[in-house]
Parts: sequence; structure tokens; C-alpha cells
Amino acid sequence: GQQLNQSPQSMFIQEGEDVSMNCTSSSIFNTWLWYKQEPGEGPVLLIALYKAGELTSNGRLTAQFGITRKDSFLNISASIPSDVGIYFCAGPYTGANSKLTFGKGITLSVRP
Amino acid sequence: NAGVTQTPKFQVLKTGQSMTLQCAQDMNHNSMYWYRQDPGMGLRLIYYSASEGTTDKGEVPNGYNVSRLNKREFSLRLESAAPSQTSVYFCATGGFGVSGKLFFGSGTQLSVL
Repeated sequence: GQQLNQSPQSMFIQEGEDVSMNCTSSSIFNTWLWYKQEPGEGPVLLIALYKAGELTSNGRLTAQFGITRKDSFLNISASIPSDVGIYFCAGPYTGANSKLTFGKGITLSVRP
Repeated sequence: NAGVTQTPKFQVLKTGQSMTLQCAQDMNHNSMYWYRQDPGMGLRLIYYSASEGTTDKGEVPNGYNVSRLNKREFSLRLESAAPSQTSVYFCATGGFGVSGKLFFGSGTQLSVL
């Protein structure tokens, strides 16, 4: 099946640092999405990417759709304590744009 | 404007008991989904409904049934709960033409003893 790989499972950074996460797959995706989940809540969409090579920003967050269409990257600059949470990459199942498969997520901790 | 509302927020069941998780949306979206989240496993799709009147299995449908009652409501039923169904359950909705842009409820934490 289509799997999205995210590692490591956890990341610990100091407030003010930049952090980069990536997501890879053995399958080609035509859409890449990044979601963030805060404790006790459902995931919230951060950035959506629809074109190979696309680079999109949302405040301090920047995401890129890999040229091979098999990977995507999320960068957070100048981290702050409220960046803590679980970051998921996601993409639609082949031939079913309305269904998403999710990576296992990366738990980000930010030390003040 | 509540978005996606799930009830209950928490539930404890004994093995073999049944229950229904409710989900309602006021976003006028066609598609609705049920995911489960387990530690280290990410979000896995249980069932989805692309439109009113249709439902389809996702990645992990065994032990569950769903009903798309109308455009607003999509329920998930556990007929005979098992400890392996201990999880956090999320309902999500998505609109036509907004690929991947799912909106999630705040989840139901279910424990099966």
C-alpha cells in the first residue's frame, strides 16, 4: 500500500532554533499536505502542495513538494513554545483524491 | 459555527459492549471520514463517505460499521467492542474540489476494558 515515512518519531529543539522535517514515500503523490495536531485536538491543515517543486510558506512555516514527487519537506523557522505538537504529512490514495493516508507523525518539543 | 462536532468526548466500555460515535458537521461538505489514532501509528482511515448515501471501507474497517444518516451526520458503530479498539477516534470532513483539505473534530477517546 501507499505509505508515508516520517522520522524520527520525536524531535527536541531549543526555542529560537529552526527545524526541518521530511516525509518520503516509495509511491508518487500528486498532493502533499502537512498537518499539525495539538494535545487534545484534531489535526489542523498547515500547508497544502499541489505541484512538483512548489515551495509554499505560511508564516514561519515553509513546505516544499519534492521534484521526484516522492517526498516533501517542512521547515519551521525561529521556533516558539506554541510550535509543540505532532506534525503529520499526508497525501491522497491513488485515484481517490478524497481519501488521505497519513504518516506516523513527528512529535516536536520546544525547550524555552 | 461549530465546524465538526464529535460526541462523546470520552467513553469507557467493557469488552463485548456496543456503542455509536456521533459526528455532525455544519460545513456543507460532501465527504466525511472516520480515522483512528494510536501511539506511533499515525492516523488510519476506518471508513469514509464520499457523499450522502455512500460509504466505503478504509484501511482498518474490521469491527466497525458506519451510517451516513444525511449530509451532516456520519456515525461509527462498534457492535462488540474489543480491547484492540482502544484508541482516539477522529471524524473529518472535506469538500468537493478541495483535495486533502480535511477538517477534523476534536476526537473521542475510547477505552475498552
